[in-house]
Amino acid sequence: QVQLQESGPGLVKPSGTLSLNCAVFGVSISSSKWWSWVRQPPEKGLEWVGDIYESGSTNYNPSLKSRVAISVDKSRNQLSLNLTFVTAADTAVYYCSRGDSSGYPSDWGQGTLVTVSS
Amino acid sequence: QSVLTQPPSASGTPGQRVTISCSGSSSNIGKTYVYWYQQLPGTAPKLLIYRNNQRPSGVPDRFSGSKSGTSASLAISGLRSEDEADYYCAAWDDSLRGRIFGTGTKVTVL
Repeated sequence: QVQLQESGPGLVKPSGTLSLNCAVFGVSISSSKWWSWVRQPPEKGLEWVGDIYESGSTNYNPSLKSRVAISVDKSRNQLSLNLTFVTAADTAVYYCSRGDSSGYPSDWGQGTLVTVSS
Repeated sequence: QSVLTQPPSASGTPGQRVTISCSGSSSNIGKTYVYWYQQLPGTAPKLLIYRNNQRPSGVPDRFSGSKSGTSASLAISGLRSEDEADYYCAAWDDSLRGRIFGTGTKVTVL
């Protein structure tokens, strides 16, 4: 059974870069076609950040597209997220997930809270 | 940014049937699958319904999904206290060129 574990700094300064990793356990990251990130600001709803297909092609939320990058490191069996020029609006719990055949999140990590503050 | 509209709340007594709507448009629900997620308090979301009306293994058949035109619905029959959670629909939107989640519905068991 797949397990996903997000990790990274819990506090990022405004205008800095948010960098998160997601370790994948139980399966090879190459065994699934889709991997994605979803975030949830405190007391708010879910927001899709973006996803990456097995070919390396990516889809990003248009509102974040100029600042976000998702990548896969097959040698480390992990997924990564980078979000540049962050503001307080980027404060959220960030979830990594494995997608089903249509790319929708089917297995989720427990999430990690990232706060943007000076 | 969400263009999938859900009622903010829904409620029912144990044993009742509760239905949650998800209203979209021809650029999302009207042309693609709808997914539903359950988020229990303080936990990560969980896939509840995929491809409009399919249940992953382990999801009770009390949960059912349907889609008609540009709207979708999630029904919970035989409501139980452990069903108290937030529920979100999701779909791909061709105009935005991205996945979108609904605004979310908080279900309360009275």
